[in-house]
Amino acid sequence: SSELTQDPAVSVALGQTVRITCQGDSLRNYYASWYQQKPGQAPVLVIYGKDNRPSGIPDRFSGSSSGNTASLTITGAQAEDEADYYCNSRDSSSIQWVFGGGTKLTVL
Amino acid sequence: QVLLVQSGAEVKEPGASVKVSCKASGFTFTTYYMHWLRQAPGQGLEWMGLINPSGTNTWYTQKFQGRVTMTRDASTSTVYMELSSLRFEDTAMYYCARDNSATSGRSYWWFDPWGQGTLVTVSS
Repeated sequence: SSELTQDPAVSVALGQTVRITCQGDSLRNYYASWYQQKPGQAPVLVIYGKDNRPSGIPDRFSGSSSGNTASLTITGAQAEDEADYYCNSRDSSSIQWVFGGGTKLTVL
Repeated sequence: QVLLVQSGAEVKEPGASVKVSCKASGFTFTTYYMHWLRQAPGQGLEWMGLINPSGTNTWYTQKFQGRVTMTRDASTSTVYMELSSLRFEDTAMYYCARDNSATSGRSYWWFDPWGQGTLVTVSS
């Protein structure tokens, strides 16, 4: 099955822009979805498809995709954005879904 | 309000089975695929499997083949995940999530909403 690779940890200064990336072969065929997870909470969808935000997700969150890489960008990071972020995609060759290992975002 | 409410925490001995439920409300349950996922303590998210709207087809990741069974009951809008032959390493938070999909150039899927999670602890 496919694999998705994320940087384990990323940091950003308060108010600055940060990009979290996700690489994998399946991303050449399918768009990723992105989930934010804070300690002790269930994951929350923040981006899906090319660049779609669910209702209630701030517009500082955006998504993009190029080749085998999907990216989640937070423009003007806030303290409350500190969390783990996971990308997900369907596997290219089977009916399975795969998660990246997650990126721990620290807002300094 | 679209909502998934899962059953409460479970403590099981190794070798036992656990059955977790997930009750849906706020949407037409019989038209959606449903996923199960899990997260071991301090670890990332892991997809376990999928059940189709009628409950007639399931797809499981290889890791759980032979140990997991997903079912659903349209009369109560509830989906179930049963995991047998439990091992210490099955200790995790188990989540249900609704499947959503669309196509815009490429196809894409997303999990939304998620249940609140059910902690399954395997301990002797």
